[in-house]
Amino acid sequence: QSALTQPPSASGSPGQSVTISCTGTSSDVGGYNYVSWYQQHPGKAPKLMIYEVSKRPSGVPDRFSGSKSGNTASLTVSGLQAEDEADYYCSSYAGSTYVVFGGGTKLTVL
Amino acid sequence: QVQLQESGPGLVKPSQTLSLTCTVSGGSISSGGYYWSWIRQHPGKGLEWIGYIYYSGSTYYNPSLKSRVTISVDTSKNQFSLKLSSVTAADTAVYYCARDNRPAGDAFDIWGQGTMVTVSS
Repeated sequence: QSALTQPPSASGSPGQSVTISCTGTSSDVGGYNYVSWYQQHPGKAPKLMIYEVSKRPSGVPDRFSGSKSGNTASLTVSGLQAEDEADYYCSSYAGSTYVVFGGGTKLTVL
Repeated sequence: QVQLQESGPGLVKPSQTLSLTCTVSGGSISSGGYYWSWIRQHPGKGLEWIGYIYYSGSTYYNPSLKSRVTISVDTSKNQFSLKLSSVTAADTAVYYCARDNRPAGDAFDIWGQGTMVTVSS
């Protein structure tokens, strides 16, 4: 089981939208609607932002949205704000009660 | 509000066993639907799922670590624990405990603050 593939970096200006991809296989991302996204600020624990591909936990701004097409899931952050600058990780259920994470994407707000 | 807190030694010698405990407060570890997980993050790197346990004691481990990992639960203390044997410098990482919300598609919805473990003589 290999890690999911994410771009190492992404960036956008305040107010703009940015999309981060997460590519897996038919055994994980493509096989289940169990993709989650996490935000991690430096020195802090990750925070759940999206679960089951596109659902937002209570308290997460609706600027954050998720989607999936085939073996690739995506996180879109609209109306970028300075506080959105962080590392973002995807994860997916991969069958046989196994979970796999992506390598992470550093989002920079220019 | 459920909270998780890791505890254990911050320094472990090579070849020894790393032992960490996660204390759950604000809720019962025996609540159905949740798996209790360990996840680690090597310095400057991404997240790695280690494994999880159900309150009944059923365990599931990352195949890459399975031969060295044991996760156990103590429902009377509302705690679960991680043991990682035969550690090397490659096991130096921040270790997080987290709640896996199984009904929400294995989403880790609550995390501890993390504890740094260094493997060094």
